[in-house]
Amino acid sequence: DGGITQSPKYLFRKEGQNVTLSCEQNLNHDAMYWYRQDPGQGLRLIYYSQIVNDFQKGDIAEGYSVSREKKESFPLTVTSAQKNPTAFYLCASSIALNDRAYEQYFGPGTRLTVT
Amino acid sequence: AQSVTQLDSHVSVSEGTPVLLRCNYSSSYSPSLFWYVQHPNKGLQLLLKYTSAATLVKGINGFEAEFKKSETSFHLTKPSAHMSDAAEYFCVVSDLMRLGGGFKTIFGAGTRLFVKA
Repeated sequence: DGGITQSPKYLFRKEGQNVTLSCEQNLNHDAMYWYRQDPGQGLRLIYYSQIVNDFQKGDIAEGYSVSREKKESFPLTVTSAQKNPTAFYLCASSIALNDRAYEQYFGPGTRLTVT
Repeated sequence: AQSVTQLDSHVSVSEGTPVLLRCNYSSSYSPSLFWYVQHPNKGLQLLLKYTSAATLVKGINGFEAEFKKSETSFHLTKPSAHMSDAAEYFCVVSDLMRLGGGFKTIFGAGTRLFVKA
């Protein structure tokens, strides 16, 4: 089955530690995204990548870093510089529906708790 | 500027009664609009999408939505709620504003649907 996998589902870290969240897709999509979700809020874009070896900052990139060395993989590192890292993190990929729209597919998410 | 407003943060219905989740948007072009559903601690699943074809869009699980350009609305409806519909629902707009070769996507804040037995 094609889809997006994120691991682990739950992650616990001590404050001051960097942590990397995994995202893998076998949909052959070029574009991938990382979002952060907090209670009562919509999704906020952290980083996105349109092609391999290229990525762009989203709306809340501070304290995060990414890499895109392979089409299938887009890991997100939450660094110690991120002031409030506890959140639910969602990875997505997208495919163009036509020249005016694209559809996003989401992974199951990783819940990160930092204490 | 683009924006998406989900008019209700919470909606409560009884099982078997209609569901209405409201969404208004603003966009500089004719946008594409989506509704996603999220069950607790899960990813988002696409319910339906509007991409400038028919204005009444049918989705999965009996949901549908109507694009009304004059009202800038894209409300989600279902004739009869089921207990399994209890979840959070997100209205999403994707606009022609390109960034790095892609499109800008804006998520609404979400509406939590409660279904009473």
